[in-house]
Amino acid sequence: TQLLEQSPQFLSIQEGENLTVYCNSSSVFSSLQWYRQEPGEGPVLLVTVVTGGEVKKLKRLTFQFGDARKDSSLHITAAQTGDTGLYLCAGFDNYGQNFVFGPGTRLSVLP
Amino acid sequence: EAGVAQSPRYKIIEKRQSVAFWCNPISGHATLYWYQQILGQGPKLLIQFQNNGVVDDSQLPKDRFSAERLKGVDSTLKIQPAKLEDSAVYLCASSPSGRREQFFGPGTRLTVL
Repeated sequence: TQLLEQSPQFLSIQEGENLTVYCNSSSVFSSLQWYRQEPGEGPVLLVTVVTGGEVKKLKRLTFQFGDARKDSSLHITAAQTGDTGLYLCAGFDNYGQNFVFGPGTRLSVLP
Repeated sequence: EAGVAQSPRYKIIEKRQSVAFWCNPISGHATLYWYQQILGQGPKLLIQFQNNGVVDDSQLPKDRFSAERLKGVDSTLKIQPAKLEDSAVYLCASSPSGRREQFFGPGTRLTVL
């Protein structure tokens, strides 16, 4: 069973600050996804990264997949209060069979 | 396009009682997933259906949990009997055949007293 770890577990910052959260595994993943989950709602897909070294940008969010496809990062520039939520990484193992979620990073952006 | 629908949104039961959750996936989505999300953790896959067949139920506690998707559309997840540790949010998700993007419903929050 693949295991995804995320850090930090909690992050509280002021509006306008930059931040980076991390997703790591000791195993290779064929692809990784990032989701954001708000209270009382299901996760919503933000991005899927497939190729090692891949960088994707979604407005103020930048996602990177590690060269070895074992880790990923999410960087948010000039955070806004609307970015508050639980950020989850998830992925399929290298055989494409097992899909697992990390425990998430709970982000609070204060006004 | 309508999203994934789940009901009920909240359920409170006593231990040893039974409970059932319902999910209606996005129209045309062949794959349906049930997840359990315990407070402070990421979702854990319980069961995955492809149309009306089970693809993966390796993490489903089969002594008390059951799920079905009889006509390849709606699905129900049942717990009988419930235990205190079953308190969690139960999420349903669906995806089109051949694609890995999952669309989640709002979840059912279960509290077992």
